[in-house]
Amino acid sequence: AQSVTQLGSHVSVSEGALVLLRCNYSSSVPPYLFWYVQYPNQGLQLLLKYTSAATLVKGINGFEAEFKKSETSFHLTKPSAHMSDAAEYFCAVSTDAGGTSYGKLTFGQGTILTVHP
Amino acid sequence: ETGVTQTPRHLVMGMTNKKSLKCEQHLGHNAMYWYKQSAKKPLELMFVYNFKEQTENNSVPSRFSPECPNSSHLFLHLHTLQPEDSALYLCASSQVGGGPQETQYFGPGTRLLVL
Repeated sequence: AQSVTQLGSHVSVSEGALVLLRCNYSSSVPPYLFWYVQYPNQGLQLLLKYTSAATLVKGINGFEAEFKKSETSFHLTKPSAHMSDAAEYFCAVSTDAGGTSYGKLTFGQGTILTVHP
Repeated sequence: ETGVTQTPRHLVMGMTNKKSLKCEQHLGHNAMYWYKQSAKKPLELMFVYNFKEQTENNSVPSRFSPECPNSSHLFLHLHTLQPEDSALYLCASSQVGGGPQETQYFGPGTRLLVL
């Protein structure tokens, strides 16, 4: 079985400050990891994903995440927050364990990011 | 239209009503998904369709009935729902064949309120 834990349901930062959203996963097989963002009244949009290539993954809007197997973590960072980054962020995991040709995502609880002027 | 679209965006229904949610993807994908997003709970996968065949049903109550007439369209038929079924219902699609690393593309969701 696979699971995801996002530490901190709410994170608040000032505009221009570092953004760090934490994600830890549990999986008995190598995982594929995703970060999605959800703006109010919208669906989920992919920020970035880890697929066992480079451990440091760069995504859209200046976000990046680093896969650390020893820490079972995939934290999301952005050097300088912008007001437009305010949204809810979801970490998700899928694996090959099911032998399917498509993904079965398991999501974390989500982290709401607030950016103050 | 581009991406994944869902209609209606908002729906209010009584417990005795029957309604349907519609999802359409314009991405040429062959897998489609229904998710439920409730307050204070993680997104829950409900159903998966792979080339129009249902391949996953995560113990969803029978009052939710999915239908996938072709690879571009997905429906969720609702009947005799309960207030606890109030949630945001999200549709997603992905390419088949690339495995679990394939990106799922989400629609904007239908906000459902059951009175």
